[in-house]
Amino acid sequence: GQQLNQSPQSMFIQEGEDVSMNCTSSSIFNTWLWYKQDPGEGPVLLIALYKAGELTSNGRLTAQFGITRKDSFLNISASIPSDVGIYFCAGRSNYNQGGKLIFGQGTELSVKP
Amino acid sequence: DARVTQTPRHKVTEMGQEVTMRCQPILGHNTVFWYRQTMMQGLELLAYFRNRAPLDDSGMPKDRFSAEMPDATLATLKIQPSEPRDSAVYFCASGEGHTQYFGPGTRLTVL
Repeated sequence: GQQLNQSPQSMFIQEGEDVSMNCTSSSIFNTWLWYKQDPGEGPVLLIALYKAGELTSNGRLTAQFGITRKDSFLNISASIPSDVGIYFCAGRSNYNQGGKLIFGQGTELSVKP
Repeated sequence: DARVTQTPRHKVTEMGQEVTMRCQPILGHNTVFWYRQTMMQGLELLAYFRNRAPLDDSGMPKDRFSAEMPDATLATLKIQPSEPRDSAVYFCASGEGHTQYFGPGTRLTVL
């Protein structure tokens, strides 16, 4: 079945540093979503991407839909302590089992003040 | 600010007991999903509905799990009988089109 590989699994960074994480897929997607999950809460949608090559920002967050349609990355600039959490990528195609989202394994981000 | 709501937020029960989790999707969303999250497996899709009709429940153990949408404002996930391996956080999500919005989850512990 389809798989999403998300890396890195975890990151420990200093406040103020930039962060980059990415997801790669074994097949083509037509939608990429990035979520953040805080402890004890559900994932919250950060950015949605719908077109190959699309670059979208949300404050200090920037995400891109890879031109091959098999990958996406998320950048966080000038990290702050509240960026701590688990970040998930999710992809969707019209061909995978009815258009369900496939989730990556998550990247756990820790920010040291 | 429309949100998906879930009840209860926490549930502790004993093996063999029935568990019912409820979800109120965002008004107007036509798709509802149930996920289970564990440390080992991550986020797993259990079932989903479109316009209240079940589309796929292949992720769900059929012998003990059941999911329904009695009306557009309520989705339920039932486990009967519950087992310790069902301990997890269960999320409901609703969406329209390409995106999904998650509820806060129900943390289930089966002793």
